[in-house]
Amino acid sequence: GAVVSQHPSRVICKSGTSVKIECRSLDFQATTMFWYRQFPKQSLMLMATSNEGSKATYEQGVEKDKFLINHASLTLSTLTVTSAHPEDSSFYICSVNPVQNYGYTFGSGTRLTVV
Amino acid sequence: QKEVEQNSGPLSVPEGAIASLNCTYSDRVSQSFFWYRQYSGKSPELIMSIYSNGDKEDGRFTAQLNKASQYVSLLIRDSQPSDSATYLCAVSLGGGFKTIFGAGTRLFVKA
Repeated sequence: GAVVSQHPSRVICKSGTSVKIECRSLDFQATTMFWYRQFPKQSLMLMATSNEGSKATYEQGVEKDKFLINHASLTLSTLTVTSAHPEDSSFYICSVNPVQNYGYTFGSGTRLTVV
Repeated sequence: QKEVEQNSGPLSVPEGAIASLNCTYSDRVSQSFFWYRQYSGKSPELIMSIYSNGDKEDGRFTAQLNKASQYVSLLIRDSQPSDSATYLCAVSLGGGFKTIFGAGTRLFVKA
């Protein structure tokens, strides 16, 4: 299966600052990557679909100006949480779908804590 | 109504027993069904996929799908303490449509 690397695994930042999370597909050229957020004991919620070379598609209710997504190459997508607030503290996970409809491969996730 | 519903648990079974995890979904035209395992603090990993009615077996895992009842289940035979995790049911319309995840069922296997 695909190998997805996500960095950093944990980050603590001050309220009002920005944080960038990287997601790399190591052995698969991913034209599409998915960004999820998971609050404690809750389901994975799709935030946006990252498209290589074009704008990301955001889910309803997700602020595109707050969660900036860049997918500049077939192996790298980044999610930047701008002006982070404590309510943005969550587990952020990226994923790829190497073979359509055959399930996702997830990155290791990033635990963001905003203080 | 939630699109994918699971009993949050926790489901507690003794080591060696069969663990049965259930999931219902609301969109009747769903095509692809998945079970993911998520250990605490980790990201999910795919353990089973199923696309047609009936059973699909892979080692100790059996996925069951009943599209008429909009029901998916996962059976884990000979449960081991290492199976203790949250199991996420996921459903997709197929054709590149997004995948919807249930909130997960926490499973505890007691040694």
